[in-house]
Amino acid sequence: DGGITQSPKYLFRKEGQNVTLSCEQNLNHDAMYWYRQDPGQGLRLIYYSQIVNDFQKGDIAEGYSVSREKKESFPLTVTSAQKNPTAFYLCASSIDHTDTQYFGPGTRLTVL
Amino acid sequence: QQQVKQSPQSLIVQKGGISIINCAYENTAFDYFPWYQQFPGKGPALLIAIRPDVSEKKEGRFTISFNKSAKQFSLHIMDSQPGDSATYFCAALGAWGGSQGNLIFGKGTKLSVKP
Repeated sequence: DGGITQSPKYLFRKEGQNVTLSCEQNLNHDAMYWYRQDPGQGLRLIYYSQIVNDFQKGDIAEGYSVSREKKESFPLTVTSAQKNPTAFYLCASSIDHTDTQYFGPGTRLTVL
Repeated sequence: QQQVKQSPQSLIVQKGGISIINCAYENTAFDYFPWYQQFPGKGPALLIAIRPDVSEKKEGRFTISFNKSAKQFSLHIMDSQPGDSATYFCAALGAWGGSQGNLIFGKGTKLSVKP
């Protein structure tokens, strides 16, 4: 089965804690992305990676960090510096940065 | 200049009717315009996409109309069904400056199709 998987589906965090969201793809895509979605809003880009061992900040990178050590994996860490982390987080991938993006099922993060 | 403006914010259509969602952009560097469909609690799924070299693309009940001179594009859903009830996002992709290849999304349209 080809596709993008995200885990966990739901995540609860206490204030002051860092959490890491997983994103894996077996589509052999070079590019991967993280978006944040808030109610009534479009998707806002957090970070993106066009190739292994390289990533760039998106529009709202503050309080987040990523790594891209393997082509298949692009984990996102939500740090305690992110002031309003409760949101729906979406991972996407594409063949390259100019092509169609395909999304995973999302992780809903709630800060208690 | 990197915005994509989408309207309406919400739309109620009777079963069998036509749903129309509009988007407008300013940056002429955009060269790929996908539409995504998102059900509650799920990730967006690619529905249909168009490039500026064509004015219309049809896939089943879904049609994109593209007006390059007006910098507008729209999604038409013919014979709308209750199962089409979802949030629809338009998006634009292009190369410019340091954001090469990034998708810019509209804010979404919540479609409700009444039986």
